Amino acid sequence: SAVISQKPSRDICQRGTSLTIQCQVDSQVTMMFWYRQQPGQSLTLIATANQGSEATYESGFVIDKFPISRPNLTFSTLTVSNMSPEDSSIYLCSAAFRTGGRDEQYFGPGTRLTVT
Amino acid sequence: GEDVEQSLFLSVREGDSSVINCTYTDSSSTYLYWYKQEPGAGLQLLTYIFSNMDMKQDQRLTVLLNKKDKHLSLRIADTQTGDSAIYFCAESWYSSASKIIFGSGTRLSIRP
Repeated sequence: SAVISQKPSRDICQRGTSLTIQCQVDSQVTMMFWYRQQPGQSLTLIATANQGSEATYESGFVIDKFPISRPNLTFSTLTVSNMSPEDSSIYLCSAAFRTGGRDEQYFGPGTRLTVT
Repeated sequence: GEDVEQSLFLSVREGDSSVINCTYTDSSSTYLYWYKQEPGAGLQLLTYIFSNMDMKQDQRLTVLLNKKDKHLSLRIADTQTGDSAIYFCAESWYSSASKIIFGSGTRLSIRP
């Protein structure tokens, strides 16, 4: 398996501010994804982070609220903009790897965001 | 449509087998997964099964797939306290490099 790290691991932010979350992978990957896990809920895909082009957003998520960067094959950032308490969640990045001829998707440890 | 359903809670006695069930609606799913999430931790990929398989065994874990009924189960033999976690069933359609749809998660608790 691969090592995926995220920074920060947690943060408490004020309403109206923005937070950028970083995701670093220890090897080059084609596909990276950002998910949100609201308190007590399952994971919901926010967007696919494409290297060299704009991210692909899922229904209900927009670039103005969740801008994503993917400058190279090992790194991506997700910004949560103009935060409100409803944005309090765990944000997880994931990456797909080819292992033994198969694609496998692994997740980072998550960033726990609390908005006050 | 995309929908994966699981029961929310399961309680088993230490040493017994745990069986966590999942149903999905999209018959075109090609990969079905089980992920484990321990308190305060990220997601750990436990195992996955291709849709053309009926069963997969990996040490204490057995995955059964009934494609006709769109039913997936995870059996954990000899359940230990370290197995306490939330278990997510999930599906994807093309490969595990595609987006993954998660179920609501089943919280497994172990009683002595």
